[in-house]
Amino acid sequence: EAGVAQSPRYKIIEKRQSVAFWCNPISGHATLYWYQQILGQGPKLLIQFQNNGVVDDSQLPKDRFSAERLKGVDSTLKIQPAKLEDSAVYLCASSLQENTEAFFGQGTRLTVV
Amino acid sequence: TQLLEQSPQFLSIQEGENLTVYCNSSSVFSSLQWYRQEPGEGPVLLVTVVTGGEVKKLKRLTFQFGDARKDSSLHITAAQPGDTGLYLCAGAEVRGNKLVFGAGTILRVKS
Repeated sequence: EAGVAQSPRYKIIEKRQSVAFWCNPISGHATLYWYQQILGQGPKLLIQFQNNGVVDDSQLPKDRFSAERLKGVDSTLKIQPAKLEDSAVYLCASSLQENTEAFFGQGTRLTVV
Repeated sequence: TQLLEQSPQFLSIQEGENLTVYCNSSSVFSSLQWYRQEPGEGPVLLVTVVTGGEVKKLKRLTFQFGDARKDSSLHITAAQPGDTGLYLCAGAEVRGNKLVFGAGTILRVKS
């Protein structure tokens, strides 16, 4: 079974630039999560999708972050414009249903300089 | 959002020692999951506990879910260098559908 695929693995951008991350969840998984993990900390939920609908985006900085999951499969997370404090690993995870085992991708390490 | 507190934050021990990591909350969770994360990788699920008082064993790892489903512990017997990593607990909210993570415990096992 193929795992959660994320790209790119690494990205370095200057502040005020834009960046987008892509996630392909495990086939058949209805729930998709985007987490932000700052070095030395646990993952913080940014947004959760159930199929193509948003379940929770209460911790998503909506003035600069946006995410979509068209057709309820792949998802993209965008930051525009980026700030220095956005430097982190962005993890995508999927699960069969809400609150069941979450499978994580390898993450995208973003460095904003 | 329900908060999960993990302790200790850091743990550095010698190979062969035993250790326990704790995950506590004032709120009730429908289930609790433990993950292990290595540098440069995403978290990998170790176990899910669902029933209050449940104990699960995975080789040298023992997981316990509190009777009230508010806390959990992970005990490692005879730690090995390969156990080194970030251990995360995550709780599934009873109300709502979020999976909330603790800040993690960084474990280093020295040979």
